[in-house]
This record gives sequence, structure tokens and C-alpha cells, in this order.
Amino acid sequence: DTGVSQDPRHKITKRGQNVTFRCDPISEHNRLYWYRQTLGQGPEFLTYFQNEAQLEKSRLLSDRFSAERPKGSFSTLEIQRTEQGDSAMYLCASSSIGGVGSGNTIYFGEGSWLTVV
Amino acid sequence: AQKITQTQPGMFVQEKEAVTLDCTYDTSDPSYGLFWYKQPSSGEMIFLIYQGSYDQQNATEGRYSLNFQKARKSANLVISASQLGDSAMYFCAMRGGRLTGGGNKLTFGTGTQLKVEL
Repeated sequence: DTGVSQDPRHKITKRGQNVTFRCDPISEHNRLYWYRQTLGQGPEFLTYFQNEAQLEKSRLLSDRFSAERPKGSFSTLEIQRTEQGDSAMYLCASSSIGGVGSGNTIYFGEGSWLTVV
Repeated sequence: AQKITQTQPGMFVQEKEAVTLDCTYDTSDPSYGLFWYKQPSSGEMIFLIYQGSYDQQNATEGRYSLNFQKARKSANLVISASQLGDSAMYFCAMRGGRLTGGGNKLTFGTGTQLKVEL
């Protein structure tokens, strides 16, 4: 399978615990994105990397959230001291570098569902 | 700022019929890209079709076509010959240019739930 893969697919955790999600992008893609999607809504942008550099972070990404992409390949998204409001699906996506008009498609993974109880 | 509006929370279509899912957008960027994604209940966002703001022709991909009306700022998705497997949530999304700082992320609408019936 050469698509974007995410792990774990489902995570149930107690409030206050830390969780980490992993994303493996499509191998030749330089850009990697994290989105969050709550029930009944479209995905919302959290952050993106170009190679190993984190170039943009949304205001949605509070101090309890941290994302890394240490070698410009896979990425992790950690949520510390989880709260019930963090319950959502966390989607990872990747694309190659290109301008807006280039049509560089952003490909998504299957998402990681987080439930905080 | 960029905004995507999908006004149809749910749509029904009979198998083999065509269906149009509406999408309007707002941006001050002259350069932008419009995407449609399909999200089945499993959660994966599946890319369907792309339209660039400077593309002269409407995009087509198999049974999917994008009815792009730039002056009206609309980018409706047309699915021809609907199949039962088309039942899913459909999202319209936009990637803007440097002017609005949207060049590296997608802004999504709230989606349209499509149900294909026999």
C-alpha cells in the first residue's frame, strides 16, 4: 500500500493522559499536513511540514499539541493532558511541492479516531 | 479569508441518475484551487477531482465532473450514473494563494451527505 497510513486507527484514553499518533506519508511527498475533524464538520487545518520544517501552525493547535517530523519522513502528533474536547478524528495528509495552480493533490490517510473519556 | 459553503446537508438520488452537489466559495486570491473529496463512513478522505482557477475547461474524472462558474464563485460536483457505492459524505475544499496565506492548506465546507437509493 503506497498511500498515507496512520496509526493507531482508534484510541480511547482517559482525560489527562497523553496520546501520540503517527503518520507515514506517501514516500515521495515533501509536504505533510495534520487536520482535525469533529462530528458533522469538515476537516480543520492544524499544521503542516515541508520536509522536516514545521512551517505553519493553526491557532487551533494549543500548547498541549505538538507535532514533529524529525527526518522529513514520518510525523507524530502528540496531545498532552487530553481533554474531552480533543475527541475527534485526526487526519494526516501529504502532497508534493508545487504552487496553488499546479493541482498538486493533497492525499489523506484514513484518520485516527480519538475518544477521551 | 477563505470560505467554502455547502448548503445541502443531505441529498438523495436514485441509482443510475445524475446528481449535482453544490459548492460556493469566497476568496480574494486571484489564484486558487478547488477540490472535491469523498468520505465514506470508514473515515478516509478520497480525492475525486481538482479545478484550478485559471483552468479554461471544466475538470472531469470518469463519472465526476466539476461545473466551474468563476463569476458566480461556484464549483459544483456532478456525479453521473450514480452507484450505491457513491453513498458517502462529500466535501468541497479550496486551497488559496499567497495573498490570503492559504497556499499550503485546504479550507473545507461542512459537507453534503449523499444517499444513493435503488
